[in-house]
Amino acid sequence: DAKTTQPPSMDCAEGRAANLPCNHSTISGNEYVYWYRQIHSQGPQYIIHGLKNNETNEMASLIITEDRKSSTLILPHATLRDTAVYYCIASSNYKLTFGKGTLLTVNP
Amino acid sequence: GAVVSQHPSWVICKSGTSVKIECRSLDFQATTMFWYRQFPKQSLMLMATSNEGSKATYEQGVEKDKFLINHASLTLSTLTVTSAHPEDSSFYICSATLERLARDYEQYFGPGTRLTVT
Repeated sequence: DAKTTQPPSMDCAEGRAANLPCNHSTISGNEYVYWYRQIHSQGPQYIIHGLKNNETNEMASLIITEDRKSSTLILPHATLRDTAVYYCIASSNYKLTFGKGTLLTVNP
Repeated sequence: GAVVSQHPSWVICKSGTSVKIECRSLDFQATTMFWYRQFPKQSLMLMATSNEGSKATYEQGVEKDKFLINHASLTLSTLTVTSAHPEDSSFYICSATLERLARDYEQYFGPGTRLTVT
């Protein structure tokens, strides 16, 4: 699976959009980009995933660049409950390798 | 939908005893389940891949005789930590795979089990 790079931490004001970047410059054509988040002492929560096209669901939007070398997870209106570690993972099968992720802190 | 449960949510056991953790997919069938371990302030580390009806595949460095995995049905996998020692104290998390389309997978995680070995 391709290695992903994320900033270790980010801050966001409550009610504003949170844009979390992820670099996956060595991603191969059959690898999906997955986003999960983990709130302290809980199991990871699936957010969204995509292959080439941008994706949107009730939780977030995923924007993948045309060359697929990077992506951005967008939480449109961040709340305090969105404070968590966000993981970006590239995988061609169902096996996920977790890196260190980005600690997103939503501030009131 | 796509809910995964784990039982127990926490357990304390004495050194040398065995502990069994159950992982269930509640509203879908999962041909593949995974077991992870997470130490404080670290990321999740994959321990093993569990397929229904076959032997589990363990990651390098994980002792298969110490961490016994049984995947008896499409909705249940169990992890037994045998002869537990204090260094096995950790947060154990399972996940179950849902294949929505061919080769398009989503993986759903349980809430985790906090194991403390005294």
